[in-house]
Amino acid sequence: SQQGEEDPQALSIQEGENATMNCSYKTSINNLQWYRQNSGRGLVHLILIRSNEREKHSGRLRVTLDTSKKSSSLLITASRAADTASYFCATDARDRGSTLGRLYFGRGTQLTVWP
Amino acid sequence: GAVVSQHPSWVICKSGTSVKIECRSLDFQATTMFWYRQFPKQSLMLMATSNEGSKATYEQGVEKDKFLINHASLTLSTLTVTSAHPEDSSFYICSASTSGGAPYEQYFGPGTRLTVT
Repeated sequence: SQQGEEDPQALSIQEGENATMNCSYKTSINNLQWYRQNSGRGLVHLILIRSNEREKHSGRLRVTLDTSKKSSSLLITASRAADTASYFCATDARDRGSTLGRLYFGRGTQLTVWP
Repeated sequence: GAVVSQHPSWVICKSGTSVKIECRSLDFQATTMFWYRQFPKQSLMLMATSNEGSKATYEQGVEKDKFLINHASLTLSTLTVTSAHPEDSSFYICSASTSGGAPYEQYFGPGTRLTVT
């Protein structure tokens, strides 16, 4: 299975602190994406990083990708209570046997930011 | 832009009945739509991929006769859960892509909570 794995499964921090979540995957990819999901809601796309990129920024988000280690990290700086949500990484698959566009999701990290 | 809606947002039905869930791309044409299910505190599991005008491709272990998918137009795909049972209770999420799905992000709907009693 190509399914990614996030680490940690749960993270609890105070407002203003930084939150770091990690994701590991198993096979070669074209790109990796991070999504956010509030409880009982759909997914919101946060950021996409391509396999030839090492780091990407978007506002308070910083994503890194290490294809040699098959891992990625999502850093949220200066966290806010509103950042409380589940965060998922998703990868596509580079091998020909995979359905075009199929995304493989990790189990997610539940982030709780206390005011 | 790139808004995907789902209807209904939640539904409760009795065991044995069928339920239809709609997924619409509101401001773009979706060549490919994906259907996922998600159990509480679990990840999203892809059920099937549908391309407009053709039969859906189901993931291994997903019963195609139980989960009927129709993608009749570039803006609408439907998932029908036939003869629903309590174990089908889950959160169903669709996503839509404009490029055939790769390598661009998918746009997700808000999900439909199905409870089968």
